Amino acid sequence: AQKVTQAQTEISVVEKEDVTLDCVYETRDTTYYLFWYKQPPSGELVFLIRRNSFDEQNEISGRYSWNFQKSTSSFNFTITASQVVDSAVYFCALSGTGSGGSYIPTFGRGTSLIVHP
Amino acid sequence: GAVVSQHPSRVICKSGTSVKIECRSLDFQATTMFWYRQFPKQSLMLMATSNEGSKATYEQGVEKDKFLINHASLTLSTLTVTSAHPEDSSFYICSASQGRRETQYFGPGTRLLVL
Repeated sequence: AQKVTQAQTEISVVEKEDVTLDCVYETRDTTYYLFWYKQPPSGELVFLIRRNSFDEQNEISGRYSWNFQKSTSSFNFTITASQVVDSAVYFCALSGTGSGGSYIPTFGRGTSLIVHP
Repeated sequence: GAVVSQHPSRVICKSGTSVKIECRSLDFQATTMFWYRQFPKQSLMLMATSNEGSKATYEQGVEKDKFLINHASLTLSTLTVTSAHPEDSSFYICSASQGRRETQYFGPGTRLLVL
């Protein structure tokens, strides 16, 4: 069975602070995908990243960066110099690749990020 | 690219009526579409997976006769909530992917309120 844990229910920061959202996962699949999605107050889920379990390189995209540590089964997400527009609920998700594992993603409970001006 | 639309964005209906929600992939062919339900401040709960041209696969506990899903084309899937009750009030989100192993792209969601 797959499981995604986002232990932080809510994080509150002041603008320009850096913030890291934690994601820990469990899976028996040897290959899998990890995702991060952003859900602003409007409700739409915005795809941020998909990472294959083979690729442990960290990734940076503008103010966003992701740290994938297979040894600790974690896929943490850092926002540098946070902005008010970053306020949203962020979901981490895990899926198999379909090769013997389920391709249906399992979502964490989400972390609500509030960035104050 | 990878834009998914949903219609309507909000709907209010009376108890006992049926409501149809459309999910469209605008710029790609979606062989697989997913329907989720989300309660306030909670995570997404997968309701069903639909593949174009075949019957939907429902998750355990989801009534297939109450939540009718049709995936008639590669760009359109519909969810019909039949004989809606107040407890069906929720945020319904669809997603679409170009294949089972591909990334899901989500629609903007539909807020359903049953009075």
